[in-house]
Amino acid sequence: EPEVTQTPSHQVTQMGQEVILRCVPISNHLYFYWYRQILGQKVEFLVSFYNNEISEKSEIFDDQFSVERPDGSNFTLKIRSTKLEDSAMYFCASSEEVEAPYEQYFGPGTRLTVT
Amino acid sequence: GDSVTQMEGPVTLSEEAFLTINCTYTATGYPSLFWYVQYPGEGLQLLLKATKADDKGSNKGFEATYRKETTSFHLEKGSVQVSDSAVYFCALRDNNAGNMLTFGGGTRLMVKP
Repeated sequence: EPEVTQTPSHQVTQMGQEVILRCVPISNHLYFYWYRQILGQKVEFLVSFYNNEISEKSEIFDDQFSVERPDGSNFTLKIRSTKLEDSAMYFCASSEEVEAPYEQYFGPGTRLTVT
Repeated sequence: GDSVTQMEGPVTLSEEAFLTINCTYTATGYPSLFWYVQYPGEGLQLLLKATKADDKGSNKGFEATYRKETTSFHLEKGSVQVSDSAVYFCALRDNNAGNMLTFGGGTRLMVKP
């Protein structure tokens, strides 16, 4: 069964460093998403991406964040200068469409630890 | 804005017990409602969904009914198994506000043999 994959599973970085989190969405999907979950808090939407551009973003997704689909398979989230409060589990998701019936398929997540 | 509230865990049950995990929502528009499950070390998996009032979503013995009058979408299962141990997330998509999912805080279920 097709699945969304994410690498790495765990990333440790120092404050101020840039990190890139990678995702491979399901191959025929057209819509891509990033969510994050700070430990003990809710899963929060960051951004959605369609047709090589951002279609929605939350208040969390400020200028420190960017997304890219550098080739036909990868979808990346870049944090330019990490802060301690960026420590969280980051989930990538993809969907074939946005109209009902509607399902976002999630990857297993990347745990980002900023020290 | 939209929000989802679900009961805090952990919920600990014996095998074959009845499960209810409460979920209520607030939405400015007319949402679709979802339950996602996360098994240890895995991503969020869609468990069931309902797109309009009075719809009942069901899968793997789990059920939830979209109750517009009480703005609720409680998850139930008649007889839980050890393999149901996981974290369960209630979520909504406001159909008038784009594609994003709004999640509840998650409820950890632990089923003991």
